[in-house]
Amino acid sequence: AQKVTQAQTEISVVEKEDVTLDCVYETRDTTYYLFWYKQPPSGELVFLIRRNSFDEQNEISGRYSWNFQKSTSSFNFTITASQVVDSAVYFCALSHGYNFNKFYFGSGTKLNVKP
Amino acid sequence: SQTIHQWPATLVQPVGSPLSLECTVEGTSNPNLYWYRQAAGRGLQLLFYSVGIGQISSEVPQNLSASRPQDRQFILSSKKLLLSDSGFYLCAWRPLGGLSAFFGQGTRLTVV
Repeated sequence: AQKVTQAQTEISVVEKEDVTLDCVYETRDTTYYLFWYKQPPSGELVFLIRRNSFDEQNEISGRYSWNFQKSTSSFNFTITASQVVDSAVYFCALSHGYNFNKFYFGSGTKLNVKP
Repeated sequence: SQTIHQWPATLVQPVGSPLSLECTVEGTSNPNLYWYRQAAGRGLQLLFYSVGIGQISSEVPQNLSASRPQDRQFILSSKKLLLSDSGFYLCAWRPLGGLSAFFGQGTRLTVV
């Protein structure tokens, strides 16, 4: 069965702090894809990143970085030097490698960045 | 560039009334289309998806239905709303052959 767990319901940090959002997944597939989406207060989900199960290289995009570790079934997301505009709900998601129509979302982590 | 439009943004409906939410995608052909629901404080639940005109797959049996009358149009409907239908409804699309889904701005539905 596919499952994504985001154990952190809500995190509060002060601006310029680094913060890591945890994501643990379960799947029996050997090929799968992992995603992070950002949901600002406006509601729209904004696509941030996609990784496939065969690529464990960490990725950095500006202040954002992602750490994918198959050994621990985790795909964690770190924001460096957080800003108020980073305040949002962040969702981790998983899809099959053979059926891209089914995304399994975690319950989300609400990040509050205070000035 | 591709864009997705979803309306209305907010909706308050009485119990027992019908529902019609519309979603359209521009700038692409043959997209896969999706309806998700997000209950308060919870993750997203896939309700329906469509791989083509008239083709609807239902993920969760419920009071809702979906239709795809045109290639880039996806409609979520109900004949009689229940209180439990309240939530945030998101439409999404995935390009043909693509791996990532892109979301609309959502409709916040309150059934009273």
